[in-house]
Amino acid sequence: AQKVTQAQTEISVVEKEDVTLDCVYETRDTTYYLFWYKQPPSGELVFLIRRNSFDEQNEISGRYSWNFQKSTSSFNFTITASQVVDSAVYFCALSEGPGGYQKVTFGIGTKLQVIP
Amino acid sequence: TAGITQAPTSQILAAGRSMTLRCTQDMRHNAMYWYRQDLGLGLRLIHYSNTAGTTGKGEVPDGYSVSRANTDDFPLTLASAVPSQTSVYFCASSDWTASTDTQYFGPGTRLTVL
Repeated sequence: AQKVTQAQTEISVVEKEDVTLDCVYETRDTTYYLFWYKQPPSGELVFLIRRNSFDEQNEISGRYSWNFQKSTSSFNFTITASQVVDSAVYFCALSEGPGGYQKVTFGIGTKLQVIP
Repeated sequence: TAGITQAPTSQILAAGRSMTLRCTQDMRHNAMYWYRQDLGLGLRLIHYSNTAGTTGKGEVPDGYSVSRANTDDFPLTLASAVPSQTSVYFCASSDWTASTDTQYFGPGTRLTVL
């Protein structure tokens, strides 16, 4: 069975600090997808990234970067120079098989608070 | 652009009653999804649809049914609501033919079953 662990329940950082959100996953499939989502205090859900298991290349998008390491079954998310607007709950998710979103399991989320 | 709309925004429902949560997207995405979000449990997939005319079961499908008569609409029906179905429901869509296959979410429906 697939599983996603986000060990950090809550994190607080001061604005402009870098912060890394951890995500460890378990799966027996060789084909799978990993995702990160953001849920601001307003409640909407925002898709951030989708990565398949055959692509271990790290991704950078502005202040956001993702480190995918199959050797440690981790897909960590780093925010550089954090801002107050980054305050949100961040969910990591895993979907087994080639179907993309169809067999997805979410972690319970990490609540990030960025203090001005 | 509207993206994805959900109705109602919130609802209080008596146990045993039926209800349909509506979801409409205007992006012509082929795939649509329903999730529920519960405190401490994160998000869980209820049902999905890869294309109009097809549906599939997610992690927690019991007590829910869906239909996909056309590309734009993906209603979720609770035939006989129970208190454990109290949750926030999110509809989402994506285009799995696109290289990025970004997923878009509606604003959510907060349902309370008493």
